[in-house]
Amino acid sequence: EAQVTQNPRYLITVTGKKLTVTCSQNMNHEYMSWYRQDPGLGLRQIYYSMNVEVTDKGDVPEGYKVSRKEKRNFPLILESPSPNQTSLYFCASSPDLRQGSTYNSPLHFGNGTRLTVT
Amino acid sequence: DQQVKQNSPSLSVQEGRISILNCDYTNSMFDYFLWYKKYPAEGPTFLISISSIKDKNEDGRFTVFLNKSAKHLSLHIVPSQPGDSAVYFCAARFMDSNYQLIWGAGTKLIIKP
Repeated sequence: EAQVTQNPRYLITVTGKKLTVTCSQNMNHEYMSWYRQDPGLGLRQIYYSMNVEVTDKGDVPEGYKVSRKEKRNFPLILESPSPNQTSLYFCASSPDLRQGSTYNSPLHFGNGTRLTVT
Repeated sequence: DQQVKQNSPSLSVQEGRISILNCDYTNSMFDYFLWYKKYPAEGPTFLISISSIKDKNEDGRFTVFLNKSAKHLSLHIVPSQPGDSAVYFCAARFMDSNYQLIWGAGTKLIIKP
């Protein structure tokens, strides 16, 4: 089954404790991206990647890191999490480099990771 | 300042009636608009889209209307069904080579039996 898999689904951690949220897609998609969803703000892009070893900042990259060592994987790293990073996180992928912005190449999302930082 | 606004956080509609979800935008440089649907505990999934050169796009029970002069688009669902209960996100694409998407905050649609 074609899918984007995120782990873990739920995570509660404390301020300053490094964590990684994994994302893997089995569709051989070029483009991958991370979003956070907060009440009243919709989805905001954190980082995206157009290819292996190519990553770029989105709208809210502060406090996050990513890597794209393999085409299928795009982990999100919080080196020193803070309470303002409590959010619902989504990983997404798309077949081409139009960032999921067309009807024939939309974004495929994972099921989300709910992160709470205390 | 949000460039894509969905001013109704929630909407309740009787089953079988029409659901109308609205989205307003402020930037005339958007050239493409998409609607995504999200069920609880799942990621959003693509629903329907429209190019800025059109004013209507239809796909089965779903129709999106675009009014460029008013910078407004709407998603019509006719007839509404219980499975349509979800959060609907509007997204707009910038008219440049980066294809960046700007998302609205979402509207929760509840279909009442």
